[in-house]
Amino acid sequence: QPVLTQSPSASASPGASVKLTCILSDGHSGYAISWHQQQPEKAPRYLMRLDSDGSHVKGDGIPDRFSGSSSGAERYLTISSLQSEDEADYYCQTWGTGFWVFGGGTKLTVL
Amino acid sequence: QVHLVESGGGVVQPGKSLRLSCTASGFAFRSYALYWVRQAPGKGLEWVAGISYDGSREYYGDSVQGRFTISRDNSKNTVYLRMSSLRPNDTAVYYCSREAGGGSCDSWGQGTLVSVSS
Repeated sequence: QPVLTQSPSASASPGASVKLTCILSDGHSGYAISWHQQQPEKAPRYLMRLDSDGSHVKGDGIPDRFSGSSSGAERYLTISSLQSEDEADYYCQTWGTGFWVFGGGTKLTVL
Repeated sequence: QVHLVESGGGVVQPGKSLRLSCTASGFAFRSYALYWVRQAPGKGLEWVAGISYDGSREYYGDSVQGRFTISRDNSKNTVYLRMSSLRPNDTAVYYCSREAGGGSCDSWGQGTLVSVSS
């Protein structure tokens, strides 16, 4: 099974852009992932599915400020024009036959 | 609109059992695999169990294999998680999730809290 690695924290200022990274373990660079957002004290929310070629499909109602891209074993979530409500934990997720795997999450602080 | 509502959480003693339910609406329930994901206090997300659209295949994470059982009733649009031999480290919010076509999780419930304590 793949392992997903995320940096524990990130920060940026309102109005700026931030790029979060999720790294797939060796031998699993072809896997697609999904990104999920979890605001404080709330359930997670699906943001998008992101394939290895960088193509992505967003969930209903996800703003254009959220986009995804890929390079090798790295999967990225870019949030532009940061707003205070973007302060949240962000998790990447992948899957295979009979399993789901989550990264450890990145806590994004909007300063 | 996809809607997943969990219930059945509560406080339970170590070694006891508990059954969670997740009732779905807003989509063709019998066409989708469903999963349970948990989150211990202050921790990240952990996949617990999954079940195929027709209930013929069940999948479990290593930490719950042999103790938890997932099932579904397509006539009631409900998926269940039977938890046995509960341990204090099973304490978590348990979320019900839908698997989109292709494997990704694309919907979440609001969660139900399970607390295992004597």
